[in-house]
Amino acid sequence: SQQGEEDPQALSIQEGENATMNCSYKTSINNLQWYRQNSGRGLVHLILIRSNEREKHSGRLRVTLDTSKKSSSLLITASRAADTASYFCATPNSGYSTLTFGKGTMLLVSP
Amino acid sequence: DGGITQSPKYLFRKEGQNVTLSCEQNLNHDAMYWYRQDPGQGLRLIYYSQIVNDFQKGDIAEGYSVSREKKESFPLTVTSAQKNPTAFYLCASSLGQGGIGELFFGEGSRLTVL
Repeated sequence: SQQGEEDPQALSIQEGENATMNCSYKTSINNLQWYRQNSGRGLVHLILIRSNEREKHSGRLRVTLDTSKKSSSLLITASRAADTASYFCATPNSGYSTLTFGKGTMLLVSP
Repeated sequence: DGGITQSPKYLFRKEGQNVTLSCEQNLNHDAMYWYRQDPGQGLRLIYYSQIVNDFQKGDIAEGYSVSREKKESFPLTVTSAQKNPTAFYLCASSLGQGGIGELFFGEGSRLTVL
C-alpha cells in the first residue's frame, strides 16, 4: 500500500544548484519523514516534520509540509556531488506502527 | 558503536532452497522491521515486530517467515515458496512505534536466485 509518491523520479543538476523533491500522500498523518539512500546502501534518516509544523531546517536541508494539499517538499541548497543519492519520503500507516515509503527521487549532482 | 548489522551482504541461492538473512541490533530498540527493495522501487514491508515473541505480517509476507526470540535479533527466512526472491533486503529498528519516530537501517543484504 503505497502512501507517499515522490516527484520527480529523477533529477540531474550541477554542483552549487538547489534540488527540490516533492512528496504527495493520501491519508491524514501526524508526521512525515525523509530518508536518503546511497547506491547499494541502507537508508539514513534525514528529517522528521510533524503535522503542526510548516517548515523545518537541518543544515542545507529545508522541508515543508502542507497538510491541506497532503504534500511535502525537500529542498537541498548548494548541492554537492556527495548529495548524489536516492531520497525517499515516508509516512506512517494507519496504526502508526510502521512507515510506508515512496519510490524515491534519484538525484544526480555533477561536479 | 551502536547500530544494525545485517549478514550476509551478498547471498546466492538455487531455486527451491530456503535462506536465512540475519539482522542484529545493539540499540536496545523494541521494534524491528524487514523491507524488500526492487530496482527503481520503494521499500515494501515484509514483516515487523514490536516486541519479543510477537510479529505481524506486512504488505508482502507470503513466502517469508521470521522469528523474534531475542530483542536484538530478527532473522528473516526466504522460503522456496517465495516466487521472485531476488531483491535487496533491508532490516530496520526503532525505539518505539515505527510510525512516530526515526527508523535505523542496516546496510542491506542482496539475495540473488540462480
